Amino acid sequence: RKEVEQDPGPFNVPEGATVAFNCTYSNSASQSFFWYRQDCRKEPKLLMSVYSSGNEDGRFTAQLNRASQYISLLIRDSKLSDSATYLCVVNAVGNTPLVFGKGTRLSVIA
Amino acid sequence: DAGVIQSPRHEVTEMGQEVTLRCKPISGHNSLFWYRQTMMRGLELLIYFNNNVPIDDSGMPEDRFSAKMPNASFSTLKIQPSEPRDSAVYFCASTLSGRERTQYFGPGTRLTVL
Repeated sequence: RKEVEQDPGPFNVPEGATVAFNCTYSNSASQSFFWYRQDCRKEPKLLMSVYSSGNEDGRFTAQLNRASQYISLLIRDSKLSDSATYLCVVNAVGNTPLVFGKGTRLSVIA
Repeated sequence: DAGVIQSPRHEVTEMGQEVTLRCKPISGHNSLFWYRQTMMRGLELLIYFNNNVPIDDSGMPEDRFSAKMPNASFSTLKIQPSEPRDSAVYFCASTLSGRERTQYFGPGTRLTVL
């Protein structure tokens, strides 16, 4: 089983739609969780951290379910500029490196 | 801050040639990571350094790959000899070790080995 698994997509949604991405991780000792965004032919950039209580940043909401080892990202009112690949990222205890999922591709269509 | 700097941005070379990729991390960051990204395998960690010391190189594909970090502001990833299957985008990332662990990526080097 891969350490971090994501549905690769692509998700093709119209502008204004709500879309949700899911991610599962295998290491129950994982302590830090993130969503990164990667635009085509660009580097990954941090979108948001994911906290146990869930967190929201504008149109983006991240949720963590430790019992199910599951992370989600919800995007409301999708914009054309949201088109990108979204990477689920997990970090285990201590100074171990981040583990990246392969990403979920989103295309928002006019 | 200029962010993580990588050079070259693009490299096209022939099989068997030596390739050297360069990275300058963000000033003050003490951890540096080298990744390789392909469509098939996604983002793979090759090696990482803490305070200029290599910590884990288990992701380095084989002996043809080597990485150095002679000081806090410079690192190299060398492939010798290069092969077509090494074609990928190579990213360098840096972070300040600590609880938050946000990694900042450079723009990447797109390597094509013919």
